[in-house]
Amino acid sequence: GENVEQHPSTLSVQEGDSAVIKCTYSDSASNYFPWYKQELGKRPQLIIDIRSNVGEKKDQRIAVTLNKTAKHFSLHITETQPEDSAVYFCAAMRDSGYALNFGKGTSLLVTP
Amino acid sequence: DTGVSQDPRHKITKRGQNVTFRCDPISEHNRLYWYRQTLGQGPEFLTYFQNEAQLEKSRLLSDRFSAERPKGSFSTLEIQRTEQGDSAMYLCASSPPRQGRNTEAFFGQGTRLTVV
Repeated sequence: GENVEQHPSTLSVQEGDSAVIKCTYSDSASNYFPWYKQELGKRPQLIIDIRSNVGEKKDQRIAVTLNKTAKHFSLHITETQPEDSAVYFCAAMRDSGYALNFGKGTSLLVTP
Repeated sequence: DTGVSQDPRHKITKRGQNVTFRCDPISEHNRLYWYRQTLGQGPEFLTYFQNEAQLEKSRLLSDRFSAERPKGSFSTLEIQRTEQGDSAMYLCASSPPRQGRNTEAFFGQGTRLTVV
């Protein structure tokens, strides 16, 4: 089955700095890669996703890059703000599959 | 709120008791998932329904766990003879019909189960 590794497990940055979270996956057939943000006590919410036919996708301060050859993808948050503090999860899935396979999460703390 | 709703939000039960959780997906979402999340971990897939059919079950889903989705609308997850290791957040998610490729899974706020 798919195995998704996520690093780092914790990340602390100062407001305004950039944050990068990296994930690797094992199933070369995976072709859908979403990122979820989970604030304390709240539900996971999709912040951005990318498909295997695209190498990079941006949405305002958030970007995701995908390297299919190396089987890794990364989340980039620029100009971080305290409200970006949360746990971020990467996931991978086949279009022919049913289950999202999640990484263990990265706890991001943005200090003012 | 038209999102995925789960009930109850919290459940404390004694070891050995049975518990049942309910999930109401977003209207017209035919795909429904159950996940389990423990502290410091990502959600772990338990089972998947497409309409009323249960199409996939994780090996994490022991025979003490059963899920149903009668009529393809709400779903229930029952845990029989609960054990302390069952303590976790149980998340439900739903997605619209797949049109050739996967789309966003919308999560509910979860049911936090504590087995004492």
